[in-house]
Amino acid sequence: EVQLVESGGGLVQPGGSLRLSCAASGFTFSNSDMNWVRQAPGKGLEWVSYISSSSYTIYYADSVRGRFTISRDNAKNSLYLQMNSLRAEDTAVYYCATDFGTNWGQGTLVTVSS
Amino acid sequence: QAVLTQPSSLSASPGASASLTCTLRSGINVGIYRIYWYQQKPGSPPQYLLRYKSDSDKQQGSGVPSRFSGSKDVSANAGILLISGLQSEDEADYYCMIWHSSTSSYVFGTGTKVTVL
Repeated sequence: EVQLVESGGGLVQPGGSLRLSCAASGFTFSNSDMNWVRQAPGKGLEWVSYISSSSYTIYYADSVRGRFTISRDNAKNSLYLQMNSLRAEDTAVYYCATDFGTNWGQGTLVTVSS
Repeated sequence: QAVLTQPSSLSASPGASASLTCTLRSGINVGIYRIYWYQQKPGSPPQYLLRYKSDSDKQQGSGVPSRFSGSKDVSANAGILLISGLQSEDEADYYCMIWHSSTSSYVFGTGTKVTVL
């Protein structure tokens, strides 16, 4: 069974940083492209970032480019999202998802507020 | 104008069929895209339903009932999710998505809230 478990969310002040993690199991993580997708409270889904299985190809949404960094450690079956210069509008539940969203984690809540 | 536009809500009776549209912005040709569909219930992550590009290029999500199906209305430049035999458990938000190759980004639709009356 595919399992994706996010962690690292919490309350952070504007301008602060946070690192999200996603632990993967139940599939061959090293062969899988991965994504981060977020959902602001009461709002729709917003794609954040993509990383290919080898980390060779990385894409970001315009809203986070230059502030967020996606990475992965295939030896640890883990996906990461380093978030810097956080803004109030980054407040959301952050989901990790396999490529094309075939599997999703439960999400971790990031709240940016003073 | 959003890249993918969905009606904000739709209501239908149990047992009826519901057709959810995902209209692509003018200039983005629905014919060349795989359209992905997701269901999200309150407090839960999205769940993958299916993808549809054509009758020869489609995929049903694992365990997804066959009463969920995809199609396209090329004249309307839209992808369609058809839910047949609506059940109360189908009450949820539904999102479409494409891989927008020209911007190297995934794009989600605005979402449709389905209510089963």
